[in-house]
Amino acid sequence: AQTVTQSQPEMSVQEAETVTLSCTYDTSESNYYLFWYKQPPSRQMILVIRQEAYKQQNATENRFSVNFQKAAKSFSLKISDSQLGDTAMYFCAFMKSPGGTSYGKLTFGQGTILTVHP
Amino acid sequence: GAGVSQSPSNKVTEKGKDVELRCDPISGHTALYWYRQSLGQGLEFLIYFQGNSAPDKSGLPSDRFSAERTGGSVSTLTIQRTQQEDSAVYLCASSWTINYEQYFGPGTRLTVT
Repeated sequence: AQTVTQSQPEMSVQEAETVTLSCTYDTSESNYYLFWYKQPPSRQMILVIRQEAYKQQNATENRFSVNFQKAAKSFSLKISDSQLGDTAMYFCAFMKSPGGTSYGKLTFGQGTILTVHP
Repeated sequence: GAGVSQSPSNKVTEKGKDVELRCDPISGHTALYWYRQSLGQGLEFLIYFQGNSAPDKSGLPSDRFSAERTGGSVSTLTIQRTQQEDSAVYLCASSWTINYEQYFGPGTRLTVT
């Protein structure tokens, strides 16, 4: 079974600054996907960024980038130029690659509440 | 285009009653997932559908929970004889197919009194 751990229950950052959210995972799989989702107070889960385990290059999406360390099983999210709208709960999630009966299932971490202060 | 929609947005029910939660996925998405979000358990997978079939029901917490999907589109999650521990936000997600990004609905907050 896979586990995902987010060790920072809460983080805060000043507007325009950079913040990094941590995530580690445990799996015996070699092929998988990792995701960061954002959940604002509206409750809607929004996909922030996706990383395929077979890709060495770290994924980036505008102000969001990841530091994927496969050997260390670490997948951190860096938010640059933080904005007030980034205030939300952030979840790290793991998905096995297709095969067997568990593909498509997301395993989530406990979440990190990020507050961006003006 | 329209995103994933869920109804009702909020549901308050008495212990022992049955409830039905509905999910309308994004048009064309073949895969559909149900998750539960609660304070004690975090986010947990319940069940997923590929088309109308559910290959993985391993996450359903008890036999009081069931789900179906008809016409490869709308899905209904039914909880029979609700218990207070069923109180949670139930999230639905859909994707083009099983290994694509999942897009979530706004969830249904269920409160069992």
